[in-house]
This record gives sequence, C-alpha cells and structure tokens, in this order.
Amino acid sequence: KQEVTQIPAALSVPEGENLVLNCSFTDSAIYNLQWFRQDPGKGLTSLLLIQSSQREQTSGRLNASLDKSSGRSTLYIAASQPGDSATYLCAVNFGNEKLTFGTGTRLTIIP
Amino acid sequence: GAVVSQHPSRVICKSGTSVKIECRSLDFQATTMFWYRQFPKQSLMLMATSNEGSKATYEQGVEKDKFLINHASLTLSTLTVTSAHPEDSSFYICSARPGTGEGSPLHFGNGTRLTVT
Repeated sequence: KQEVTQIPAALSVPEGENLVLNCSFTDSAIYNLQWFRQDPGKGLTSLLLIQSSQREQTSGRLNASLDKSSGRSTLYIAASQPGDSATYLCAVNFGNEKLTFGTGTRLTIIP
Repeated sequence: GAVVSQHPSRVICKSGTSVKIECRSLDFQATTMFWYRQFPKQSLMLMATSNEGSKATYEQGVEKDKFLINHASLTLSTLTVTSAHPEDSSFYICSARPGTGEGSPLHFGNGTRLTVT
C-alpha cells in the first residue's frame, strides 16, 4: 500500500530559527512530490513541486529535497517567521495522477 | 499563477437536503479536477476524479449516488452532496492542474466547510 507519513505531527520553534520538516513514503517509484501549506480552515497553497528526476527545489526561504531511494523528502525553512505558522502537507504522486497526502505537520513559530 | 475558485466557502444545511459545491479554474482549462474531503485534524482523502464530458471516477468506499459530480465544461466541476447527513459534515476541497500531463503542480481551491444539522 502506498502511504505518506509526516513526523512530527506538531512542531514549535522560536522565530528566526531554521527548521526541517520530514516526509517519508513507502514506494520509491514516484512521479513527483508536492509540498503544500494549509492555514486553519483554508484550502491548500502549493509551495514546491519536485519531479522524480530532481533532487531539490528552492523558492525564497524554502528548499525541498527528494531522495527516492530512501523514500524521503524534507522541507527546509530558513529564518522562520511567525507568518510561517501553518500546517505543512506533503503529497506524493505515485504515477496514477492522484495525490496521496501525509497527515501534515502543524508548525508554530514563536515570536 | 493558476487559480482555482470554490464556492461556497461555508454552508450549513439541514439533514436530508442537498448541497451543491462549485469548483472553477479561473485562468486555465482543466479536463480533470479532483475532489477531496478532509475531516478535522486529518489529512485529505481523495473522493473522486472529475472528467470533463464523461463520468467521474470514484475512490473505493465513496458512494457515487450520494456524491454527484458533474464536469460540464473545461472550467467547472460541481459536487452535489445528496440527502446530506451529519456524518457528511466535513471540509471539501477541489483541485485542478493547468497544462497537460502530471508534471505541473496541482492547485487547490479554498475549500467548502459543510455542516449538516
């Protein structure tokens, strides 16, 4: 069964610190992987998309990496800000055009 | 960037009534749209894939007669929750992908919070 796991479920860090969010998946034969941000009661905002042939993608203070062989992806957030507080979701496309989501990491940046 | 609009954002209905949720791709055409459901503190679960001009494809365990999907144009898909019950209360989110193929990112609407009383 193709599954996506995100640990920890919740994370609190002081403002200004760099942090890493983790995502693991059970099947290394993925098509791509996408990181999203979800604010409470809101929809999803796409942050980064990594194709299976790529090792990382960067956008501003965000950097996402992909290691298919180990079934892992990380989302690195530099110089965290209170506005970064949200739930971050990792979603994997296993090649069937559908996304399988992790349960998310609820991030709180402490001012 | 690609925008997906979902309406309404919130709806409260009485048990036994039907509710229609609209999903529009505002600046691109989408032959395929996806409908997800999210229960409190849980992740998104795919309900069905909406295909323009043809029948939707439902995931295992999703009742197609209860969750009616219509994808009548390249920019609009609708989800109708028929004979709603309190257990249907959830957050429903649609998504679509601009461009062809699976290489482009999936964009999501802002979701619809359905509460059935």
